[in-house]
Amino acid sequence: DAKTTQPNSMESNEEEPVHLPCNHSTISGTDYIHWYRQLPSQGPEYVIHGLTSNVNNRMASLAIAEDRKSSTLILHRATLRDAAVYYCILRGVLNNFNKFYFGSGTKLNVKP
Amino acid sequence: DGGITQSPKYLFRKEGQNVTLSCEQNLNHDAMYWYRQDPGQGLRLIYYSQIVNDFQKGDIAEGYSVSREKKESFPLTVTSAQKNPTAFYLCASSVRRDRTVNYGYTFGSGTRLTVV
Repeated sequence: DAKTTQPNSMESNEEEPVHLPCNHSTISGTDYIHWYRQLPSQGPEYVIHGLTSNVNNRMASLAIAEDRKSSTLILHRATLRDAAVYYCILRGVLNNFNKFYFGSGTKLNVKP
Repeated sequence: DGGITQSPKYLFRKEGQNVTLSCEQNLNHDAMYWYRQDPGQGLRLIYYSQIVNDFQKGDIAEGYSVSREKKESFPLTVTSAQKNPTAFYLCASSVRRDRTVNYGYTFGSGTRLTVV
């Protein structure tokens, strides 16, 4: 399974931008990069996904490196409600389609 | 609103008992999944199903069983053979692989199982 590497934890101040990195050096050409976040005692929720180009939605932006071996989730103005564990996941087309591999993610702490 | 409902939210089991966790979705999704999460850890895949009456083992299927008699329902049974069942269990669903790969998962709110 193609896997990802993320820092265990990060800290941010409220209302400041946050850049959450993810390395995926074994990514294949057909793997999509997905980001989910999980609040305490809840199921993960979808944040954003992309293939090659940078993506924006109402929650966040996703910046994908040109060689696709890394990506960065950008929260433009962190709020206290953004404190969660963020998972970077590769979703393949072929063999690994059904196996979303959830690593331990990055725990984001937001300080008021 | 469409979504996934897991019940119960909290479940206590005595050692040696089987228990069944419920997962129901009204999203018209073909594929459904069960994950286990231990404290401070990521999610590990137990079982998944792409279509009614068919399911496959994930990475940690031992001690668990599932059924998929209806598209909307994918119950998970934690059997007495599961040696360390205390964990947070998450159910998810998605569209099937031959439609699109752009869809992600929709998760339920989880069931916390404790062995007493």
